[in-house]
Amino acid sequence: DSGVTQTPKHLITATGQRVTLRCSPRSGDLSVYWYQQSLDQGLQFLIQYYNGEERAKGNILERFSAQQFPDLHSELNLSSLELGDSALYFCASSVLGQGNGGYTFGSGTRLTVV
Amino acid sequence: DQQVKQNSPSLSVQEGRISILNCDYTNSMFDYFLWYKKYPAEGPTFLISISSIKDKNEDGRFTVFLNKSAKHLSLHIVPSQPGDSAVYFCASNSGNTPLVFGKGTRLSVIA
Repeated sequence: DSGVTQTPKHLITATGQRVTLRCSPRSGDLSVYWYQQSLDQGLQFLIQYYNGEERAKGNILERFSAQQFPDLHSELNLSSLELGDSALYFCASSVLGQGNGGYTFGSGTRLTVV
Repeated sequence: DQQVKQNSPSLSVQEGRISILNCDYTNSMFDYFLWYKKYPAEGPTFLISISSIKDKNEDGRFTVFLNKSAKHLSLHIVPSQPGDSAVYFCASNSGNTPLVFGKGTRLSVIA
């Protein structure tokens, strides 16, 4: 158990629908990062939150949004889903922005859009 | 624009031999480099790192080498064990920017 909890583990939904992925960071970590791993692709950075504020944005589609709540858990909202959104979505956390300790990842949410 | 490239999608090595995984980067601002290991159905886990002020970092069977002039780093695993079979991701960043990951190399260690 890495200490980063992601729910649900699996999600199957239809095109056009909206889903919410949830992440609870490791205790004491203030930063949360969301990454997407599509087939044959590496981990693509989507967005980072630090202590409730958006810190950095990557290749996140306009149909996607995220937030970090006062208790530091984060949610990634994916709307108007398309087949190409099927992927593994990972959440990671770290104490500060980055530094030399790397990130702690959750086990991911596998999203399948049918 | 791939800033971190792992050009070998897969690598097969015999148990007991050396595994060498390679990674190239294009962003000269990168000053911290990490390797992550990922088993199926799990998230990536941190393995070893190196800062740009060093050219080698060793941790047990794992050694990372950094060649800044070539913008190249490699991970050496000696001796390789069947439990090392996994996908290995190279990652990098500068300062506090989010980590940029390569596509990964699948290592298979054959007994």
